Amino acid sequence: NAGVTQTPKFQVLKTGQSMTLQCAQDMNHEYMSWYRQDPGMGLRLIHYSVGAGITDQGEVPNGYNVSRSTTEDFPLRLLSAAPSQTSVYFCASSLSGSSYEQYFGPGTRLTVT
Amino acid sequence: DAKTTQPPSMDCAEGRAANLPCNHSTISGNEYVYWYRQIHSQGPQYIIHGLKNNETNEMASLIITEDRKSSTLILPHATLRDTAVYYCIVRAYSGNTPLVFGKGTRLSVIA
Repeated sequence: NAGVTQTPKFQVLKTGQSMTLQCAQDMNHEYMSWYRQDPGMGLRLIHYSVGAGITDQGEVPNGYNVSRSTTEDFPLRLLSAAPSQTSVYFCASSLSGSSYEQYFGPGTRLTVT
Repeated sequence: DAKTTQPPSMDCAEGRAANLPCNHSTISGNEYVYWYRQIHSQGPQYIIHGLKNNETNEMASLIITEDRKSSTLILPHATLRDTAVYYCIVRAYSGNTPLVFGKGTRLSVIA
């Protein structure tokens, strides 16, 4: 199993540009989520999904959109990038929302200038 | 907000036991204690979890006080590769409750 994969690893955007961060898992996990981590801070939840077609907001959802059309993929869209969205983004998955172990991807480092 | 309090940093000599404390005085009866760690800039990694009994796995031991208001993660023989940020998280077991990360404890293992 590849586990949780994220692309790209690094990205630089200009203010106002849009892009999609990709996240995929091959473990048939129902639960997937997106976090952001700012320097010196813990991870903060952006959005999560408990299965295909079901998504919900986390702690910091503003400026981000998600959809879950398949079990495997959970893309995160930035509609109009802002410098405040400069961060490292982590995707995670688990068998279900109550699973004790979540598996995290390697992260995408995003810089918005 | 995170429901736990951890020291911001700790040092440990290589080969010695690392004891990482965590306070969770407002923990509810249906909430478990989870520990994750984040090595350098990698994604967090699950270590162990428990409800009220002490737990041990190949990575660590988790000691939870009888009143469940605090716990200690023990790495029995710390190595340089255990240098990381360790997060103590309190989370309800049922439902789709997300993991809420605080700032954690930065453990430095020193040769």
